[in-house]
Amino acid sequence: DSGVTQTPKHLITATGQRVTLRCSPRSGDLSVYWYQQSLDQGLQFLIQYYNGEERAKGNILERFSAQQFPDLHSELNLSSLELGDSALYFCASSGTSAPRVTGPLQETQYFGPGTRLLVL
Amino acid sequence: KNQVEQSPQSLIILEGKNCTLQCNYTVSPFSNLRWYKQDTGRGPVSLTIMTFSENTKSNGRYTATLDADTKQSSLHITASQLSDSASYICVVILSGAGSYQLTFGKGTKLSVIP
Repeated sequence: DSGVTQTPKHLITATGQRVTLRCSPRSGDLSVYWYQQSLDQGLQFLIQYYNGEERAKGNILERFSAQQFPDLHSELNLSSLELGDSALYFCASSGTSAPRVTGPLQETQYFGPGTRLLVL
Repeated sequence: KNQVEQSPQSLIILEGKNCTLQCNYTVSPFSNLRWYKQDTGRGPVSLTIMTFSENTKSNGRYTATLDADTKQSSLHITASQLSDSASYICVVILSGAGSYQLTFGKGTKLSVIP
């Protein structure tokens, strides 16, 4: 158990809909990362938040957005869902202290169990 | 285009045997290179993190090596166990100008059989 929790575990929805995925980081971790893993694309980094602020963006679509709240939990919002958005979405956390520079240079990231999203 | 290529795509070995997984990358120079283990349907677990200047890092029976000249990294698993059956993913992190980029390999699926 990594200490990172994600809800829900499974989500089935229809095209065009909007969903929200939730992540609670390990106690004390300030950084939260979101990843998408599909069968054909593999793992892709979406976005990082550090202590409530967006820190880095990866291959995140404009239809997707995220935020990190004062209690450090994070939500990933996916809207106008398409069939191709079906994937496993992972959240990871790291960093109990301020990173020296932007990015996960030396920190171990702890991944949650993921949310499996199926868009029909 | 920055790429990370892993080989083989899949591998079957007998319990107790050693194996080596390969990761070739074009991202250079990079900040660090990581190996993850991912059990089916679960989140990845970090095995090793190496900076550009390191050439080996161990974590129990897992040893990662890095050759910056040939742009290759290897993950060597010693005395394999059934629990080593998983996908192993290589990730290269490039940072600069206040941001960073992660490039993931597609992974090697390892099956350890009795």
